Amino acid sequence: QIALKESGPTLVKPTQTLTLTCSLSGFSLTTSGVGVGWVRQSPGKALEWLALIYWDDDKRYRPSLRSRLTISRDPSKNHVVLTMTNVGPVDTAIYYCAHRLGGLHAFDIWGQGTLVTVTS
Amino acid sequence: EIVLTQSPGTLSLSPGEGATLSCRASQIVSRTYLAWYQQKPRQAPRLLIYAASSRATGVPDRFSGGGSGTDFTLTISGLEPEDFAVYYCQHYDNLWGYSFGQGTKLEIK
Repeated sequence: QIALKESGPTLVKPTQTLTLTCSLSGFSLTTSGVGVGWVRQSPGKALEWLALIYWDDDKRYRPSLRSRLTISRDPSKNHVVLTMTNVGPVDTAIYYCAHRLGGLHAFDIWGQGTLVTVTS
Repeated sequence: EIVLTQSPGTLSLSPGEGATLSCRASQIVSRTYLAWYQQKPRQAPRLLIYAASSRATGVPDRFSGGGSGTDFTLTISGLEPEDFAVYYCQHYDNLWGYSFGQGTKLEIK
């Protein structure tokens, strides 16, 4: 059964770098067609896609945040890592990782999410 | 950038009634990459519909999706108490990546 779980700091100071890990189970990121994305949701706001990584290590980023984001994978640990540099209060949000449904570009399985608060 | 605009912002209905939620894209988009999600408070989103009209695994058949071009709809026939939630549409584009609408809140009247 496919599952994802996010982990990382709950509090981050402004200007710091945020590193989040998505642990995968029930599937491998090296399997052809697989993709894992990150989506965040600020309090009371809509969903916002951040980045996605494919089985072949191809990567996509939200254009407006591209300069601050890096998505990577560790196949040996079956992890996906998202780093965001120079965080600010506007980056306070629940961060979700999610499994992409085949070639249809929909996210069919989501992690529970992890709340990150940016505060000094 | 493709902008998805959902309407109405809030929809107040009673259990048993039917609901129609709208998602309008700022330009013609591929229905293959149009999806709908349901999100309940303090929960992660749940995929309901993909490729505009295909139900995800385990989704009741009272949920249906349709549309093409710039206009898409999510229809819920015979609302159940557990259907009251926020609904998001989402699209993928090779140039801009994934975009979500701002959401429609379906509340009990």
